[in-house]
Amino acid sequence: GESVGLHLPTLSVQEGDNSIINCAYSNSASDYFIWYKQESGKGPQFIIDIRSNMDKRQGQRVTVLLNKTVKHLSLQIAATQPGDSAVYFCAENRAGGSNYKLTFGKGTLLTVNP
Amino acid sequence: EAQVTQNPRYLITVTGKKLTVTCSQNMNHEYMSWYRQDPGLGLRQIYYSMNVEVTDKGDVPEGYKVSRKEKRNFPLILESPSPNQTSLYFCASSFGRGGTDTQYFGPGTRLTVL
Repeated sequence: GESVGLHLPTLSVQEGDNSIINCAYSNSASDYFIWYKQESGKGPQFIIDIRSNMDKRQGQRVTVLLNKTVKHLSLQIAATQPGDSAVYFCAENRAGGSNYKLTFGKGTLLTVNP
Repeated sequence: EAQVTQNPRYLITVTGKKLTVTCSQNMNHEYMSWYRQDPGLGLRQIYYSMNVEVTDKGDVPEGYKVSRKEKRNFPLILESPSPNQTSLYFCASSFGRGGTDTQYFGPGTRLTVL
């Protein structure tokens, strides 16, 4: 079946380093992708999104890269801070199917060491 | 402040005792959705609503009911809760179709069914 998944379930980095969190998707018809951050005890919080007509999108300290050729999505966090420690989810819609639905990956736990 | 609120935040109940988890958003969003989050399974959609009086099943609707009588409210009803419904529940809302726009999440409701 088609699914959204993550390459690395856990990632540990030093404060100040850059972090890269990866996500693979298998539905080539997906045209909207989104990254969420979930801190312990809280709901998922929007970080950044990207549509399939783009390869890259930048926010504040974050960049999302979309490689449609290999169906790969990544989230880059610059100068990672302790407050970035959280679980990060990618999600996709599946154009051609329902546009009312996002399918979520299982998440990557990012730990930032001081 | 723009937000999605859920009540209660924590609930312990017994098998078969009907319960309702409320969800409200103040952003005038048309789309609302319920998810459950379980370890190792990620976020799974229970039901969603495209607008008032319009709802549809997600991936795991069994054992749940919803209603959308007002735009801002989307309660989740468990008519006869069972232990396998012990989970962390999130409500979300979106201005657009849910699959093409950012979904904003509430803080979560942790439900334990004994």
